Amino acid sequence: GQQVMQIPQYQHVQEGEDFTTYCNSSTTLSNIQWYKQRPGGHPVFLIQLVKSGEVKKQKRLTFQFGEAKKNSSLHITATQTTDVGTYFCAELSSNTGKLIFGQGTTLQVKP
Amino acid sequence: NAGVMQNPRHLVRRRGQEARLRCSPMKGHSHVYWYRQLPEEGLKFMVYLQKENIIDESGMPKERFSAEFPKEGPSILRIQQVVRGDSAAYFCASSPTGMGTEAFFGQGTRLTVV
Repeated sequence: GQQVMQIPQYQHVQEGEDFTTYCNSSTTLSNIQWYKQRPGGHPVFLIQLVKSGEVKKQKRLTFQFGEAKKNSSLHITATQTTDVGTYFCAELSSNTGKLIFGQGTTLQVKP
Repeated sequence: NAGVMQNPRHLVRRRGQEARLRCSPMKGHSHVYWYRQLPEEGLKFMVYLQKENIIDESGMPKERFSAEFPKEGPSILRIQQVVRGDSAAYFCASSPTGMGTEAFFGQGTRLTVV
């Protein structure tokens, strides 16, 4: 069945440092979506990647989809305290419509 | 266009009582997902529904839990005879088609069983 593994589980960085979270699957992914959940909040959609090797940027955030469509990464350049939260990857199955989340990476940023 | 509305935001139930969690999807959205989240943990898929149909309930315990999404009205997640282990945040998400589109989440219902 669908399963996406996400690492690391936690990451503490100094403000201004970079941050990366990785999402891996043993099977080919239909697509990858990324969500952010602030502490005490709800998940908010960030982006969707569909094509092999796709790279998308949103300001300081860079999202990549692997060539084999089995992994993805989210990279934040020069973190800020507003980046604090948990970042989830998720696969939306093109067969079933089911949306399955990775375990998430919780980012803490020290000012 | 109002977002996904969940109510109540907080729900306290004694062991053995029933909990009813409501989710009104965004206007025009016919696909609803329910997730459970324990503190410091990820989003565990429970059930995926379209109007009047359960598409996938593989993540939902077979006993005490049920979900519906009627033709009219909100989607309901019902937990009968709650136990302490049911305490969690329950999130609902909706999407217009369920295929290749983003999901919009509600604020969640925090269920506490005492």
